[in-house]
Amino acid sequence: DVKVTQSSRYLVKRTGEKVFLECVQDMDHENMFWYRQDPGLGLRLIYFSYDVKMKEKGDIPEGYSVSREKKERFSLILESASTNQTSMYLCASARAGFYEQYFGPGTRLTVT
Amino acid sequence: RKEVEQDPGPFNVPEGATVAFNCTYSNSASQSFFWYRQDCRKEPKLLMSVYSSGNEDGRFTAQLNRASQYISLLIRDSKLSDSATYLCVVFASGGSYIPTFGRGTSLIVHP
Repeated sequence: DVKVTQSSRYLVKRTGEKVFLECVQDMDHENMFWYRQDPGLGLRLIYFSYDVKMKEKGDIPEGYSVSREKKERFSLILESASTNQTSMYLCASARAGFYEQYFGPGTRLTVT
Repeated sequence: RKEVEQDPGPFNVPEGATVAFNCTYSNSASQSFFWYRQDCRKEPKLLMSVYSSGNEDGRFTAQLNRASQYISLLIRDSKLSDSATYLCVVFASGGSYIPTFGRGTSLIVHP
């Protein structure tokens, strides 16, 4: 079974803090994705990566950056957290050339 | 206008009912379509692909209408365990593996 894990299920941070969300997959997938999910807005793509050290902006990259130093790990960074970044963050991975995405359990981030 | 649209619902149906959801997409060049299921407080999981000729998986039937640019999901003989949010996912043409998700349709199956 594909396993995608995220470093925390729940996280509470203060405005202005630097926040790291980690995602690890164990199936040697080339593609990895970060989404946020908000009520009424659905899943929105923040960034994706199709290879180590490669990244592409998604629909809502502002206020976020990413890092992929190893194939299995994709990190989302909030340089200076703001209250409007309170959300559920979901990581996903997919094999290159395939559409099916496997999601992690999500991190519910609250910024106060 | 959002590229992929779904009626958020909720669709409230009794056990055993047949229920159908539609999902419309705006990019006529879209090539690949899927339905995901998301249980409350859980991550989305792939339910089924949508093929041009339509396809079935047990009680679930997915269909694509390219002329009218929508996909549908039909659930027959609804079970309590079918209660979830159903997300449609569309991939554009040109070998893009970047999906566009709909906002989801909530289904509640009651006894």
